[in-house]
Amino acid sequence: QKEVEQNSGPLSVPEGAIASLNCTYSDRGSQSFFWYRQYSGKSPELIMFIYSNGDKEDGRFTAQLNKASQYVSLLIRDSQPSDSATYLCAVNAGGTSYGKLTFGQGTILTVHP
Amino acid sequence: DARVTQTPRHKVTEMGQEVTMRCQPILGHNTVFWYRQTMMQGLELLAYFRNRAPLDDSGMPKDRFSAEMPDATLATLKIQPSEPRDSAVYFCASGFGQSYEQYFGPGTRLTVT
Repeated sequence: QKEVEQNSGPLSVPEGAIASLNCTYSDRGSQSFFWYRQYSGKSPELIMFIYSNGDKEDGRFTAQLNKASQYVSLLIRDSQPSDSATYLCAVNAGGTSYGKLTFGQGTILTVHP
Repeated sequence: DARVTQTPRHKVTEMGQEVTMRCQPILGHNTVFWYRQTMMQGLELLAYFRNRAPLDDSGMPKDRFSAEMPDATLATLKIQPSEPRDSAVYFCASGFGQSYEQYFGPGTRLTVT
């Protein structure tokens, strides 16, 4: 089992719809969860982080965390074509890892007009 | 506008040649990460440093890869000798303190023929 798994995608949604990106992780000791967006040919860009159970909203983005189920998700409301990118879920490694993150394989999102 | 810088942005070399990639972390950041990204493997952590000391280089092929931080403003990743399977995009990222937030540079696209 991979340490961080994301729904395989690719995910295609129409403009204006809600895009739902999912991620599960294996280490119950993980405390910090991140979503990165990566446009084709560009570097990953941090867009959201969440540390506590529940929802965290930032504009059109909502991160949801359920530590009991070891599940984190990213919802994008009113999806725009400019949201088309690969979304990477990242989770802190356990122990004394000093900032080390484990990344999922990414989900490709396409928002079509 | 604080950002991570990487040089060169592109490198084409022949098998057996030495390759050196450089990274300047965001000023004040004390943790530096080297990643490799390929379509097949996704984003893999090669090595990382905290306060210039190497913390983990278990992701690196030790026989050909080496990573150093000569000073707080410069991190280097060297491959000697390079092989075609080393072709990938190499990213440097930096972070600060106990935070797990990482900020990525633009990457070096390496092609080994």
